[in-house]
Amino acid sequence: EAGVAQSPRYKIIEKRQSVAFWCNPISGHATLYWYQQILGQGPKLLIQFQNNGVVDDSQLPKDRFSAERLKGVDSTLKIQPAKLEDSAVYLCASSLVEARGGEQYFGPGTRLTVT
Amino acid sequence: TQLLEQSPQFLSIQEGENLTVYCNSSSVFSSLQWYRQEPGEGPVLLVTVVTGGEVKKLKRLTFQFGDARKDSSLHITAAQPGDTGLYLCAGWGYGQNFVFGPGTRLSVLP
Repeated sequence: EAGVAQSPRYKIIEKRQSVAFWCNPISGHATLYWYQQILGQGPKLLIQFQNNGVVDDSQLPKDRFSAERLKGVDSTLKIQPAKLEDSAVYLCASSLVEARGGEQYFGPGTRLTVT
Repeated sequence: TQLLEQSPQFLSIQEGENLTVYCNSSSVFSSLQWYRQEPGEGPVLLVTVVTGGEVKKLKRLTFQFGDARKDSSLHITAAQPGDTGLYLCAGWGYGQNFVFGPGTRLSVLP
């Protein structure tokens, strides 16, 4: 079974530029999550999708971050414009069901550096 | 506000030693999970604990959920270099988002 795929793996941009990350979850997984992991910290949930609907985006900085999951499969996370404090690893995860205690499978992440 | 705290932040030990890392909160959690994350990779789930007082074992790893469901511990017996990594606890507080702790970075030296 293929795991969660993310691209690109690394991205370097200047502040005020735009960037997009792509995630392909495990086939059949209805729930998809985006996390931000700043160096030295644990991941922080940004947004959770159930199929193509948003379940929770309470911690997403909506003035600059946006995410979509068209057709309930792949997802993209966009930052526009980027700030220095957005430098982090962006992790995508998926799970078979949206259930507390369920297992989330994580991708390798995209490391973003904003200069 | 950090809902989950972990200690110690860093731990460096020799192969064969035992160790315990802790995950604490002032809030009650309906369940807690432990993950291990290696450099350049995403976290991998080790265990989920649901019931207060629950103890689960995974080979040399023993996980315990506190009776009040506010804390958890991970004990590793006879640590090996392959145990090196970032250990994260995470869970759902009642009425809260899914949250991770800051992690304990473990280094096991051969």
